[in-house]
Amino acid sequence: DVKVTQSSRYLVKRTGEKVFLECVQDMDHENMFWYRQDPGLGLRLIYFSYDVKMKEKGDIPEGYSVSREKKERFSLILESASTNQTSMYLCASSFRDSPGDTQYFGPGTRLTVL
Amino acid sequence: AQSVSQHNHHVILSEAASLELGCNYSYGGTVNLFWYVQYPGQHLQLLLKYFSGDPLVKGIKGFEAEFIKSKFSFNLRKPSVQWSDTAEYFCAVNPDTNAGKSTFGDGTTLTVKP
Repeated sequence: DVKVTQSSRYLVKRTGEKVFLECVQDMDHENMFWYRQDPGLGLRLIYFSYDVKMKEKGDIPEGYSVSREKKERFSLILESASTNQTSMYLCASSFRDSPGDTQYFGPGTRLTVL
Repeated sequence: AQSVSQHNHHVILSEAASLELGCNYSYGGTVNLFWYVQYPGQHLQLLLKYFSGDPLVKGIKGFEAEFIKSKFSFNLRKPSVQWSDTAEYFCAVNPDTNAGKSTFGDGTTLTVKP
């Protein structure tokens, strides 16, 4: 079974703090994704990585950055957390060059910024 | 850029009722289509997908969806819902040229009353 794990299920941070969200997958997937999930807005893509050290901006990259130093690990960084970044963050992974392939999701990290 | 529209934000049904959740997308080329489901407290997971062949696809737990290319639609159906189908359902589209990136709809919350 594919396993995508996220470092924390719940996180509470203060405005202005630097926040790291970690994601690890064990299926040797090339693609990895970070989404945020908000009620009524569905899933919105923040960043996408198709290989180590490669990344593309998604639909809402402002205020976020990412790092992919190893194939299995994809980190989302909030340089200076703000209250409007309070949300559920989902990581996913899939094989590259196969658009019909399923994305496998982690359990999510619920981040609250005070 | 492609977009995905899910017509119903919240659907409430009694057990044994039939279900149809609407999904329309805007993209003129070849697409791959997905329905994902998120049961309460669980990971987002694949329900079914279409990428080629028979436009009527069957998924887990008795769900099916029909791809109608002329209508840009991929509606999800189940003839008789159960209380355990209570969940949030997301439609997603991934153009063949999009290297694995999917666009998700806003989601439909289904509540099945016992």
